[in-house]
Amino acid sequence: GQNIDQPTEMTATEGAIVQINCTYQTSGFNGLFWYQQHAGEAPTFLSYNVLDGLEEKGRFSSFLSRSKGYSYLLLKELQMKDSASYLCAVRDERGRDDKIIFGKGTRLHILP
Amino acid sequence: GAVVSQHPSRVICKSGTSVKIECRSLDFQATTMFWYRQFPKQSLMLMATSNEGSKATYEQGVEKDKFLINHASLTLSTLTVTSAHPEDSSFYICSATSPALAGYGYTFGSGTRLTVV
Repeated sequence: GQNIDQPTEMTATEGAIVQINCTYQTSGFNGLFWYQQHAGEAPTFLSYNVLDGLEEKGRFSSFLSRSKGYSYLLLKELQMKDSASYLCAVRDERGRDDKIIFGKGTRLHILP
Repeated sequence: GAVVSQHPSRVICKSGTSVKIECRSLDFQATTMFWYRQFPKQSLMLMATSNEGSKATYEQGVEKDKFLINHASLTLSTLTVTSAHPEDSSFYICSATSPALAGYGYTFGSGTRLTVV
């Protein structure tokens, strides 16, 4: 089966750093995504990790540990526009088809 | 590159009618397309996977006779919600990929807000 867990909501202050954790259990693993989604809009791609370690991209970084089934998204120098839902998603390998299975998302509130 | 166009962006229909949503890959050939549904304040739930020229594979609990998916070409997939009911009101999003794209080559459409009255 598949199970992807992340906190439902988090609150942080403008200019600060926040870490959003994600744990997963899937039958087949072929990478982990982080997406940002503003209300009423489609998700936008943030990062993709397939190997263990940290991937840094500007203010956002993503970490993966395959042995622990664990990932986090790190957001630095938070801005008000970062208020959104952050979706952890696993690429579940199933023979011919890979599927992206999403966690329930973490709603991040940024306070001035 | 890797743009997916989805329309309509919003649609309101009466109970009992059918609604078709289109998903097009504009600058690549999408061998596989995915359809998701998202209820308010919830995450995306995968409904089905469609490969060009073959029948869609539906996730458990999704009625294939109610949500008709057609992937007739490498650039177009359609989702038809038949005999729509108010509980079908949701945000529907398509996603497309191709082996030709990079490892993170899953591109999402802009979504369709369906309201059934």
